[in-house]
Amino acid sequence: QSVLTQPPSASGSPGQRVTISCSGSSSNIGSNTVHWYQQLPGTAPKLLISSNNLRPSGVPDRFSGSKSGTSASLAISGLQSEDEADYYCAAWDDNLNTVVFGGGTKLTVL
Amino acid sequence: QLQLQESGPGLVKPSETLSLTCIVSGASISSSSYYWGWIRQPPGKGLEWIGSIYYSGSTDHNPSLKSRVTMSVDTSKNQFSLKLRSVTAADTAVYYCARDQWLVHVGGPFDYWGQGTLVTVSS
Repeated sequence: QSVLTQPPSASGSPGQRVTISCSGSSSNIGSNTVHWYQQLPGTAPKLLISSNNLRPSGVPDRFSGSKSGTSASLAISGLQSEDEADYYCAAWDDNLNTVVFGGGTKLTVL
Repeated sequence: QLQLQESGPGLVKPSETLSLTCIVSGASISSSSYYWGWIRQPPGKGLEWIGSIYYSGSTDHNPSLKSRVTMSVDTSKNQFSLKLRSVTAADTAVYYCARDQWLVHVGGPFDYWGQGTLVTVSS
């Protein structure tokens, strides 16, 4: 049972917009920034979004992040087949004194 | 280009100590801007932060693992290491090393990752 809750799966057709949610509490998302990681099959995670909505160099602007209250979202527009991956949210938890991850969302491009 | 590479035994017996090293190339581990972290992922499961270490030796750990974890850094070799004591089958995972940007808290975001190494705990 992960501290941050993500839907186990999401899907969309090429070109569509998909949103992945990440729900937490006042001790994590509610008071700290959220980061998102993309993990392509068989590879290490890659930082996709940091500090709620910042894209590291090289990340396409099709990827965007947002946060409101104790929830955060990752949006992917213009979905492409290479976006098929697992996506994880993460945030520091002030009560647990550790970084907590969501359980991950497996994105399928139909 | 910054690269990280994990190394260590792929098989550890229960109750023994798991030891891994991460060799950093393309940048100095002595940078004041970053910590260096360990994250693991059990097969088919999600990510778990183990801990992060600064070049000075200062560390921060996941409280759930803290009593079993020791981390160290060797700036002369540009590498850092992890020891996890008293392992059980539950410690079977892919272990990643990564650069920790520690924007506010230690523990991420992690912007560069090693390829990961699978460590199996079994007799």
